Amino acid sequence: DGGITQSPKYLFRKEGQNVTLSCEQNLNHDAMYWYRQDPGQGLRLIYYSQIVNDFQKGDIAEGYSVSREKKESFPLTVTSAQKNPTAFYLCASREDRAVSYNEQFFGPGTRLTVL
Amino acid sequence: AQSVTQPDIHITVSEGASLELRCNYSYGATPYLFWYVQSPGQGLQLLLKYFSGDTLVQGIKGFEAEFKRSQSSFNLRKPSVHWSDAAEYFCAVGAGAGSYQLTFGKGTKLSVIP
Repeated sequence: DGGITQSPKYLFRKEGQNVTLSCEQNLNHDAMYWYRQDPGQGLRLIYYSQIVNDFQKGDIAEGYSVSREKKESFPLTVTSAQKNPTAFYLCASREDRAVSYNEQFFGPGTRLTVL
Repeated sequence: AQSVTQPDIHITVSEGASLELRCNYSYGATPYLFWYVQSPGQGLQLLLKYFSGDTLVQGIKGFEAEFKRSQSSFNLRKPSVHWSDAAEYFCAVGAGAGSYQLTFGKGTKLSVIP
């Protein structure tokens, strides 16, 4: 089955530690995204990537870093510089076709808790 | 920049009743509009989308939405709600072809009374 996988589903981190969230897709989509979700805040864009080896900051990139070395993978690192990292993190992907504006497909999410 | 407002944070309806979730957007040109649904602790699933053409859009699970340019709205409707529809619903707007970003509303949580 094609889709997006995120791992782990739950992640606990001590303050001051970096942690990396995995996102893999087998949809052959070009664009990938990371969102942060907090209760009552909707989804806020952290980073996105349109092609391999290229990515752009979203609205709340401070304290986060990403890489896009392979088309199917877009890992997110939450660094110790992120002041309030406890949240639900969602990865998404989108097929890039110029003829229409395609929807984003979402993974199941990772819940990060800082202890 | 575009924006999305979902005026209702939480709505409660009885099973079998009709439903309308409101979404208002702000964007200068023709928007690309989406409704997503999220069950607790899960990712988002697309219900329907509007790009152009017929302003009444049919989606999955019996949902529909109507694009009204004069009101800058894209309200989601369902004639008869099922208990399994309890979830959080997000409206999103994309700012035209070539834009890779979506802007999401803050969501409306739907509770269904049996």
